[in-house]
Amino acid sequence: NAGVTQTPKFRILKIGQSMTLQCTQDMNHNYMYWYRQDPGMGLKLIYYSVGAGITDKGEVPNGYNVSRSTTEDFPLRLELAAPSQTSVYFCASRLTAATNEKLFFGSGTQLSVL
Amino acid sequence: RKEVEQDPGPFNVPEGATVAFNCTYSNSASQSFFWYRQDCRKEPKLLMSVYSSGNEDGRFTAQLNRASQYISLLIRDSKLSDSATYLCVVTMEYGNKLVFGAGTILRVKS
Repeated sequence: NAGVTQTPKFRILKIGQSMTLQCTQDMNHNYMYWYRQDPGMGLKLIYYSVGAGITDKGEVPNGYNVSRSTTEDFPLRLELAAPSQTSVYFCASRLTAATNEKLFFGSGTQLSVL
Repeated sequence: RKEVEQDPGPFNVPEGATVAFNCTYSNSASQSFFWYRQDCRKEPKLLMSVYSSGNEDGRFTAQLNRASQYISLLIRDSKLSDSATYLCVVTMEYGNKLVFGAGTILRVKS
């Protein structure tokens, strides 16, 4: 199993540009999450999904969109990039077994908006 | 009030010390609780789940106090390799949403 794969690892955007951060998992997990982490801060939840076709807002959804057309994929879309979106982005999927619950994270995307 | 709050630290302790972190949460309906560890802004890794009865894994002990809505992590005999950021995680919205605290920085020095 590859686990959770995030691409790209690094990206520099100009203000106003758009991009999609890709996230794929091969563990057949229903739950998936997008977080952002600013320097010196914890992870803030952007969006989450409890299964294909179902998404919901987290703590900081403004400026982002998501879709979940398949169990495997959960892309995050930035439509009009702003400097405030400079951050490290983590995608995660969740194993929800009763006694073995855990998040599996991708390796992160370092995004800079200049 | 933030949904999940942690003392940011940093906690600077000598090797061999015992250190404890607390984390408070706002939603009394929260059911699942975890401690994650993060090194140098890499992806977080699960340290341990927190069970109602408390649980121990080697030098690490986690406890839950539902009445006061906090969880704790105790690290005994601290090692240099324990230096990291410790993140508290709480489920919300019927267990669907996972919310992280801002993290507590631990620095263990020789």
